[in-house]
Amino acid sequence: SAVISQKPSRDICQRGTSLTIQCQVDSQVTMMFWYRQQPGQSLTLIATANQGSEATYESGFVIDKFPISRPNLTFSTLTVSNMSPEDSSIYLCSANGGSERGYTFGSGTRLTVV
Amino acid sequence: SQQGEEDPQALSIQEGENATMNCSYKTSINNLQWYRQNSGRGLVHLILIRSNEREKHSGRLRVTLDTSKKSSSLLITASRAADTASYFCATANQAGTALIFGKGTTLSVSS
Repeated sequence: SAVISQKPSRDICQRGTSLTIQCQVDSQVTMMFWYRQQPGQSLTLIATANQGSEATYESGFVIDKFPISRPNLTFSTLTVSNMSPEDSSIYLCSANGGSERGYTFGSGTRLTVV
Repeated sequence: SQQGEEDPQALSIQEGENATMNCSYKTSINNLQWYRQNSGRGLVHLILIRSNEREKHSGRLRVTLDTSKKSSSLLITASRAADTASYFCATANQAGTALIFGKGTTLSVSS
């Protein structure tokens, strides 16, 4: 199944700044997904990213706050913009590994906003 | 939004004991998947069970699915300290593309 490299693994950022998280997949995938995991919570889907089109955002998430790029079938970025302490979370990217292999996840980016 | 509930929220057992986690979901499904997450890291796929299957095994894992009750259970037999992690069930969203996760069960196995 696909392997996803995600970076950075962690960062501490000042409020009001932006952070871009990158995910590189070792094979071509049609869709990539971005999740947020707030402390002690489960994963919440932020958006689905298709190559060549705008990402589809879930309720409660907007493009101005979480712009996503998907320039090709192996790469995607998520930017967390104008950060506040409430954005402190783990952010994960994912892709469908196909059939019985389930979905593959990046190792996550632990973001702390101070 | 979360697909369903898992219980218990937290489970502490001794090495060698069995651990059972339950998951309920709300909508009709094609399959249900279980994932493990170690210490806030990336998720690892454990097992997928299709809607026409009632039980599936993989090593020390046994998953059951009851579509009439919209529930699933994950049994880990002869647990080890290395099984300490959070476990999540997941089903597909309405579009059938992304996964929607339950709230998860945090398992602690002590030696």
